[in-house]
Amino acid sequence: KQEVTQIPAALSVPEGENLVLNCSFTDSAIYNLQWFRQDPGKGLTSLLLIQSSQREQTSGRLNASLDKSSGRSTLYIAASQPGDSATYLCAVQDYGQNFVFGPGTRLSVLP
Amino acid sequence: DVKVTQSSRYLVKRTGEKVFLECVQDMDHENMFWYRQDPGLGLRLIYFSYDVKMKEKGDIPEGYSVSREKKERFSLILESASTNQTSMYLCASSFGGTSPPDTQYFGPGTRLTVL
Repeated sequence: KQEVTQIPAALSVPEGENLVLNCSFTDSAIYNLQWFRQDPGKGLTSLLLIQSSQREQTSGRLNASLDKSSGRSTLYIAASQPGDSATYLCAVQDYGQNFVFGPGTRLSVLP
Repeated sequence: DVKVTQSSRYLVKRTGEKVFLECVQDMDHENMFWYRQDPGLGLRLIYFSYDVKMKEKGDIPEGYSVSREKKERFSLILESASTNQTSMYLCASSFGGTSPPDTQYFGPGTRLTVL
C-alpha cells in the first residue's frame, strides 16, 4: 500500500530565505505527483503537478522535482515571503486514479 | 475556474444524529471524493465516485455512506454520528481520465464537531 511521508513536519524561516520541503513515497509506480498548499481552516490549492515521465516543474518562485526511482520529490521555494506561510502537502496519484496524501509540512515565514 | 462548494463551513451535531454533508462542483467532473483531515494523520479517503450512482470505498469508509444521484453533487452521510467523527471534511473533484493529467480541486472544507 502506498505511503507518503513529508519532512520536516514544521519549518520556520526568516523572510527571504530559500527553502526545501521533502516528500517520500514507498511505491514508485505512480502516475503523477502534486504539491498542494493549504491555508488554515481552508481547502487545498494545487501548486504544481509533475507527471511520472517528468523530472521537474516550475511556477514562479516554486520548483518541484521528482525522482521516481528513489521515491522522492522536493519542493523548492525561492526568496520566501510571509505570504508563503501555510501547510504544504504532497500527493501521489496511482494508475487507479487514487490519490494518497502526505501529512504535510507547516511552514512559517517570519517578517 | 473550477468551483467546488460545500454546504456548511462549520457544523455542530450531537451523538447519534444523522448528518448530511453536501458537495457540489460546477465543471462537469466525472470524479468526486470525500476526505477527512485530522492533525498528524493527513487526508484520508473515505469514499469516491467515478460516475453517477457509482461509489467506491476508500481507506476509512466505516460509519459513512455516500450518495451521487446527479453528476455535480456528492453527499456524505454519517448514519449515526459519533464523537470520533469530529474532523475536517474535504470534498474534491477531478476531470477523470489520464490526458491531460488529472488534478483534484478542493472545496473549502466543513469542520464538523460531534458532541
